[in-house]
Amino acid sequence: ILNVEQSPQSLHVQEGDSTNFTCSFPSSNFYALHWYRWETAKSPEALFVMTLNGDEKKKGRISATLNTKEGYSYLYIKGSQPEDSATYLCAFGGTSYGKLTFGQGTILTVHP
Amino acid sequence: DGGITQSPKYLFRKEGQNVTLSCEQNLNHDAMYWYRQDPGQGLRLIYYSQIVNDFQKGDIAEGYSVSREKKESFPLTVTSAQKNPTAFYLCASEDTDTQYFGPGTRLTVL
Repeated sequence: ILNVEQSPQSLHVQEGDSTNFTCSFPSSNFYALHWYRWETAKSPEALFVMTLNGDEKKKGRISATLNTKEGYSYLYIKGSQPEDSATYLCAFGGTSYGKLTFGQGTILTVHP
Repeated sequence: DGGITQSPKYLFRKEGQNVTLSCEQNLNHDAMYWYRQDPGQGLRLIYYSQIVNDFQKGDIAEGYSVSREKKESFPLTVTSAQKNPTAFYLCASEDTDTQYFGPGTRLTVL
């Protein structure tokens, strides 16, 4: 079973703060790295799919970077808002088709 | 409305009983997945199916069974052989590398 680690496990920030968290994954047999946002009582929602080393994706105030050689991805949120409160999951896709290995998630709470 | 539905939202069963969790999608996706979530752990893959009438075991398939008789449907049966069945179960379907998740079923075995 592959090891995908996310840190920190949980994070509390104030509204307006910028924050970031990390996903570490195996640096071999890389195919794709996924980020999902999972709000309470909702379904996980795809944020980004990243496939190229050095890739950077952006969606509004959220962005992500990817380093496949060293096996990590960062997710950044600029100017956090209470509606950003959610669990952020990363998932590693290896060269075996269709199977994702998920990290345990980072729980973000943004206080007004 | 296109999407993935799972029913029921909450399910209670007595120990030793088999139980089937429903997953339906109208997104016309070929691939479907079942995951289990336990506190403090990532989603773990139980079974997946890339096409109708075909499915493969994931990382934690013991004590579970599935069928894929229709493209839209991928039911999961939690059998009495599953030692710790109480968990949150998520179903997903996939289109071009992105997985779309249902709302989940919380199963509690008493």
